[in-house]
Amino acid sequence: DAGITQSPRHKVTETGTPVTLRCHQTENHRYMYWYRQDPGHGLRLIHYSYGVKDTDKGEVSDGYSVSRSKTEDFLLTLESATSSQTSVYFCAISVDGLSSYEQYFGPGTRLTVT
Amino acid sequence: SQQGEEDPQALSIQEGENATMNCSYKTSINNLQWYRQNSGRGLVHLILIRSNEREKHSGRLRVTLDTSKKSSSLLITASRAADTASYFCATDATGANSKLTFGKGITLSVRP
Repeated sequence: DAGITQSPRHKVTETGTPVTLRCHQTENHRYMYWYRQDPGHGLRLIHYSYGVKDTDKGEVSDGYSVSRSKTEDFLLTLESATSSQTSVYFCAISVDGLSSYEQYFGPGTRLTVT
Repeated sequence: SQQGEEDPQALSIQEGENATMNCSYKTSINNLQWYRQNSGRGLVHLILIRSNEREKHSGRLRVTLDTSKKSSSLLITASRAADTASYFCATDATGANSKLTFGKGITLSVRP
């Protein structure tokens, strides 16, 4: 998984509670991404980052916020979890220096909101 | 909205047969990429084809790109049971600023 770890790997939480997912990379690449994967929708971009404190919204950013205070960590926060945010969340990185932006993915976090 | 749309949604073949999967997209691209996802795992990059290329090979994989039709195909030759997975195309659209857009995926089952 290209030195990318995600934590936790599984989480069950209740509606209305805040949740933070962590993505950690060991190689200090500049670009990091958060996706959600749902049946029938494929992979959809939530937020991405192009450097420390530099982030931008993706296709499905409502209800999510991100932070990147260190190059190696990219945090995804659900401020007040809803059942519609039950999903599998993937973090990815692009290797610096590649203009093609091919991505390498973490193992995923399965989140269930009850 | 989805940039890449794969076709078919599901494909079942016998081991040893070839598997062909198609992807169509809507806007101009810098490159198109194919990824594989085994059940319960993250996506793995397979192959990339740039907009000025028409065909590319990597082992048993062959990718073609037709920018006039805005379509790509992925051919897996002599398939194996281990090729059973979901396959996604992803486009690096012109002006997308480091973002890829993924399709919904194709589920390939290879029967032993």
